[in-house]
Amino acid sequence: KQEVTQIPAALSVPEGENLVLNCSFTDSAIYNLQWFRQDPGKGLTSLLLIQSSQREQTSGRLNASLDKSSGRSTLYIAASQPGDSATYLCAIQGGSEKLVFGKGMKLTVNP
Amino acid sequence: DADVTQTPRNRITKTGKRIMLECSQTKGHDRMYWYRQDPGLGLRLIYYSFDVKDINKGEISDGYSVSRQAQAKFSLSLESAIPNQTALYFCATSDSPGRSTTDTQYFGPGTRLTVL
Repeated sequence: KQEVTQIPAALSVPEGENLVLNCSFTDSAIYNLQWFRQDPGKGLTSLLLIQSSQREQTSGRLNASLDKSSGRSTLYIAASQPGDSATYLCAIQGGSEKLVFGKGMKLTVNP
Repeated sequence: DADVTQTPRNRITKTGKRIMLECSQTKGHDRMYWYRQDPGLGLRLIYYSFDVKDINKGEISDGYSVSRQAQAKFSLSLESAIPNQTALYFCATSDSPGRSTTDTQYFGPGTRLTVL
């Protein structure tokens, strides 16, 4: 059974820092890995999706990498801003085509 | 207008009551999902449907039932609500593999359910 872990559960940083959010998973037989953002009281918004055959994806100040052999993904946020404050969730899509989510990491970027 | 809508957005009910949460989508996707989110437990899949005639149990289906009335509508019912079903419920949709350049799921805004 796939398990997805995100550590730490929360992070508070000053504005402007470059951040690395971590995600680890136990089964390397994945279809894709996705990073989502969730704002308080809101639904999830997809940030980046990395297919199994890819190593990384970039969107603006966000860069996500995937290392299947080690069961790890990182989400890099450059020059963090207060508007980046949210909960970030990592999710794995495996052979069953269902998503398995980590518990998320709550990020606070202080002005 | 939002692509995935959920009604109601908030609901307070009593133990033993039957309630229905509704989800509608205008994305034209075949696949729809119901999740619940609890503090410290993340999102867990309750039911999913890959097309109108296909309904599947997820990780935590006990105490829940679903109905896929049309491609665009997927309802979640709690037959007899209990307090530990208090949670935030999300509906999501996705396209079938091969029909889209992305496999991502699109989420509704959520329904906050409280069972007293």
